[in-house]
Amino acid sequence: GAGVSQSPSNKVTEKGKDVELRCDPISGHTALYWYRQSLGQGLEFLIYFQGNSAPDKSGLPSDRFSAERTGGSVSTLTIQRTQQEDSAVYLCASSLEGRGFGGELFFGEGSRLTVL
Amino acid sequence: AQTVTQSQPEMSVQEAETVTLSCTYDTSENNYYLFWYKQPPSRQMILVIRQEAYKQQNATENRFSVNFQKAAKSFSLKISDSQLGDTAMYFCAFMDQGAQKLVFGQGTRLTINP
Repeated sequence: GAGVSQSPSNKVTEKGKDVELRCDPISGHTALYWYRQSLGQGLEFLIYFQGNSAPDKSGLPSDRFSAERTGGSVSTLTIQRTQQEDSAVYLCASSLEGRGFGGELFFGEGSRLTVL
Repeated sequence: AQTVTQSQPEMSVQEAETVTLSCTYDTSENNYYLFWYKQPPSRQMILVIRQEAYKQQNATENRFSVNFQKAAKSFSLKISDSQLGDTAMYFCAFMDQGAQKLVFGQGTRLTINP
């Protein structure tokens, strides 16, 4: 596709349920990032994938959060047993370059998660 | 750990005026990259301008320019001849050469009034 695609655009769930958020990066981009943006706040780094390297999971806030990237392309962020504090916009970004190149990140429009 | 600070939560100016958004950062690294991203109400983040720390010359992109002061660890964004379409959240961000994650400031909400 022309840009980074994220789905669903909006997700409302009940506390305790599991959710999956999907990111389809720009074709050919080797780097993929997940960020979380709480209401009116900056972006909090969650996880980074670069090619076939082990992902940097240092930003995941708890073991309820996990992510995978299949075939070096599509990524899924999974939140288990959702809590109200998980409510936020989850942004995915991809980049052509990887570590150390300081390349531009291209962002999707985000998935807004609301946990009731 | 690197940190990015934007001290102006909100700013408001009249159309056609010039506005400067402040950003400071903290790092012990010598080689790194700095960015300004714009997030309009549509939510999609868009790169405004990028600066490589080893370059002394300030980056410019049309009406957008930066004042990069490496010793002071300051990276401000100047918007000249502001337009209504410049209304957005603006985020300053940092990436060091050895790392992979972009560290963001808390953002400045800029409103351009007609």
